[in-house]
Amino acid sequence: DAGVTQSPTHLIKTRGQQVTLRCSPKSGHDTVSWYQQALGQGPQFIFQYYEEEERQRGNFPDRFSGHQFPNYSSELNVNALLLGDSALYLCASSSDRSHQPQHFGDGTRLSIL
Amino acid sequence: GQQLNQSPQSMFIQEGEDVSMNCTSSSIFNTWLWYKQDPGEGPVLLIALYKAGELTSNGRLTAQFGITRKDSFLNISASIPSDVGIYFCAGDKYGGATNKLIFGTGTLLAVQP
Repeated sequence: DAGVTQSPTHLIKTRGQQVTLRCSPKSGHDTVSWYQQALGQGPQFIFQYYEEEERQRGNFPDRFSGHQFPNYSSELNVNALLLGDSALYLCASSSDRSHQPQHFGDGTRLSIL
Repeated sequence: GQQLNQSPQSMFIQEGEDVSMNCTSSSIFNTWLWYKQDPGEGPVLLIALYKAGELTSNGRLTAQFGITRKDSFLNISASIPSDVGIYFCAGDKYGGATNKLIFGTGTLLAVQP
């Protein structure tokens, strides 16, 4: 039973570029949440997708956007990258229906030069 | 962004010792979770707590949901070298652990054989 998978594992971009990160949820999960984890800190909630719609959003600018597909997989898009966007981006999946708490993938390490 | 207060920030112990750490908040949470994160990996769920006063064990780990719903505690008994890592608490204000999670600042645990 595959857990949460994320791609790519590492990415290097320059300021001003845009990036797309991908996440496949754990089997049986229908909800995907995205978090940003800066070095030495706990993860910060970006947003959550359920039934292909954004259900909750944290305090992130609208340069951060997302999408959820019918198979429950999800993408995180970040436009106009800033140096401060360098972080580990974590995806977590869960299921309201079967009361499954959030399980995390291993993240995408994004470095902005 | 908002973070929960975790203490201690770090612990350096000998193999075989017991460990205690806690997490506090100024506001109420309806679900508390404890995760462990190893370098280069995503957080791994250890224990989820859904009811005030609940005490739950997972092997050598025991966690408690404080009765005020503003704190939680994690104990590790008879520590072993593979317990090394960063431990994070996380809270879900709505309950169920499927919504936005607020994370703590983390406790770094080092175990000397």
